[in-house]
Amino acid sequence: GDSVTQMEGPVTLSEEAFLTINCTYTATGYPSLFWYVQYPGEGLQLLLKATKADDKGSNKGFEATYRKETTSFHLEKGSVQVSDSAVYFCALSDPLNAGGTSYGKLTFGQGTILTVHP
Amino acid sequence: NAGVTQTPKFQVLKTGQSMTLQCAQDMNHEYMSWYRQDPGMGLRLIHYSVGAGITDQGEVPNGYNVSRSTTEDFPLRLLSAAPSQTSVYFCASAGQGDYEQYFGPGTRLTVT
Repeated sequence: GDSVTQMEGPVTLSEEAFLTINCTYTATGYPSLFWYVQYPGEGLQLLLKATKADDKGSNKGFEATYRKETTSFHLEKGSVQVSDSAVYFCALSDPLNAGGTSYGKLTFGQGTILTVHP
Repeated sequence: NAGVTQTPKFQVLKTGQSMTLQCAQDMNHEYMSWYRQDPGMGLRLIHYSVGAGITDQGEVPNGYNVSRSTTEDFPLRLLSAAPSQTSVYFCASAGQGDYEQYFGPGTRLTVT
């Protein structure tokens, strides 16, 4: 079945440092890929998405590129801020395993806790 | 729009008790789902629905029931709570053709 693997956390950085959170996936079809962010005490929010190979998703200075050849979707940000401290989840939606619907079931990675210090 | 709302925010149950976690959305979304979040395991899908009257099982459905009598509401029922069901529960919804799922604020459930 489908699966998502994220780099082990937690990740602790100083403000303005470069961030990379690795994400790789396995899927039987042609999935869409997502990064969701969860701020303390809140639900998940979509950060960015990519729906086909070589697409780059970007939002709030974060970006990730859908790499089919390496089955990866790594999250990057050039200069993190204290306000970026949160839990980050990589996820995929595989229409092949979701009855063909484009809003099918999400498969999540285990989450990576990011803490940014001033 | 309120988006996706969940009640209660916190709940403590004793083993064997039953309860219903409420979820409602006001975006006229066809797709609704329930996830549980456990440390180190990400979110796992419990049940989902693609429209009123249609529900299906996700990855971890045992011990949970759902129904979808209206587009707006998708309650999750625990018939006989167990300590293994201690978790944070999230409801989510999505519109047809919309890749983004919208999450509620969560319900933190403790079963003693």
